[in-house]
Amino acid sequence: AQTVTQSQPEMSVQEAETVTLSCTYDTSENNYYLFWYKQPPSRQMILVIRQEAYKQQNATENRFSVNFQKAAKSFSLKISDSQLGDTAMYFCAYTGANSKLTFGKGITLSVRP
Amino acid sequence: EPEVTQTPSHQVTQMGQEVILRCVPISNHLYFYWYRQILGQKVEFLVSFYNNEISEKSEIFDDQFSVERPDGSNFTLKIRSTKLEDSAMYFCASSPGLAGGPGQETQYFGPGTRLLVL
Repeated sequence: AQTVTQSQPEMSVQEAETVTLSCTYDTSENNYYLFWYKQPPSRQMILVIRQEAYKQQNATENRFSVNFQKAAKSFSLKISDSQLGDTAMYFCAYTGANSKLTFGKGITLSVRP
Repeated sequence: EPEVTQTPSHQVTQMGQEVILRCVPISNHLYFYWYRQILGQKVEFLVSFYNNEISEKSEIFDDQFSVERPDGSNFTLKIRSTKLEDSAMYFCASSPGLAGGPGQETQYFGPGTRLLVL
């Protein structure tokens, strides 16, 4: 079974600075997809970024980028120029051959003014 | 931009009562999902649905749960006899169904229904 681990329960960053959120996963599949979702206080789940395992190039989406290390099964999210609106819970998630998303426990990110 | 919608946003019910949570997936999507999130815990997969049948379900999705697509737009989750431990946020999601398989697609989530069982 696939597992997703987010070992940091919470982090804090100063506005305008850069922060990296860690995620590791375990799978025996070769073809899979990884995601970061953001959950603000409203509790809506919002897609931040997605990475296909077969792509060597790290995904980027404006201020968000990932560091995907397939051999190490690591998938970290870097947020540059942090903004107050980035304050939220962030979930790392995995999907493979089947249709379900497997989520990590999440990390609470606080951006300080 | 198309989005997944869910109703109601909040539901309070008595233990043992039946509840139906409603979702309208993105209109041209073919795969539908339900997830739940107990307060302070991770998001857990319940069930996926494609071509009018369940394609996968988790251990949580026991006989008390059922899903249905009663018409061309709605996707519902029914809990027949609610228990205290069913109190959670329930998320509906959908994905296009165009790629090589559902696992290769991004799932788009609705805003959730907060269910409280008393």
